[in-house]
Amino acid sequence: DVKVTQSSRYLVKRTGEKVFLECVQDMDHENMFWYRQDPGLGLRLIYFSYDVKMKEKGDIPEGYSVSREKKERFSLILESASTNQTSMYLCASSLSGHGFDQPQHFGDGTRLSIL
Amino acid sequence: QQPVQSPQAVILREGEDAVINCSSSKALYSVHWYRQKHGEAPVFLMILLKGGEQKGHEKISASFNEKKQQSSLYLTASQLSYSGTYFCGTEYLGRGSTLGRLYFGRGTQLTVWP
Repeated sequence: DVKVTQSSRYLVKRTGEKVFLECVQDMDHENMFWYRQDPGLGLRLIYFSYDVKMKEKGDIPEGYSVSREKKERFSLILESASTNQTSMYLCASSLSGHGFDQPQHFGDGTRLSIL
Repeated sequence: QQPVQSPQAVILREGEDAVINCSSSKALYSVHWYRQKHGEAPVFLMILLKGGEQKGHEKISASFNEKKQQSSLYLTASQLSYSGTYFCGTEYLGRGSTLGRLYFGRGTQLTVWP
């Protein structure tokens, strides 16, 4: 089974702090994704990466950056945390190649609170 | 490009059926369905490719209507374990699209009572 592991289930940080969320997958997947989940809004894509050192902006990249130095690890960075970034953050990974028949596998999520 | 899901919420008794719809204004290449239980990660259910095929997974099946750019998820004889939020994720081809990138709907909350 694919395992996507997020470093923390719950995290509390202060406004203005630099926050790192880590995600590791163990199935050699090329694609990795960071989503934000808020009630009633579904899953919104922040950034995704289809290869090491490659990244593309999703729908809501403002205030975030990402890093992918190794294939198995994809980090989300909140440069200067603000209260409106309080949310559930989900990481996912998928195989590349043809792309059209590859499901995304999700981690358990990190519930981040910014005070 | 976010697909529109309907209804927003469904309440059922065990054994009843439900249909959840996912509509796109843009030509679809594939539709993915996921279920998320409270406090857990979304879990993959099935993928449908363009061509109007229907797929099944136990008593949960889905169809893809390419002409209408719509997919429907059918839950038959619902069980308590079906409760959760169902999301569709849509994938597009063409200029500006990236294979593997999904656009998720806002979700349909399904509650099954005994």
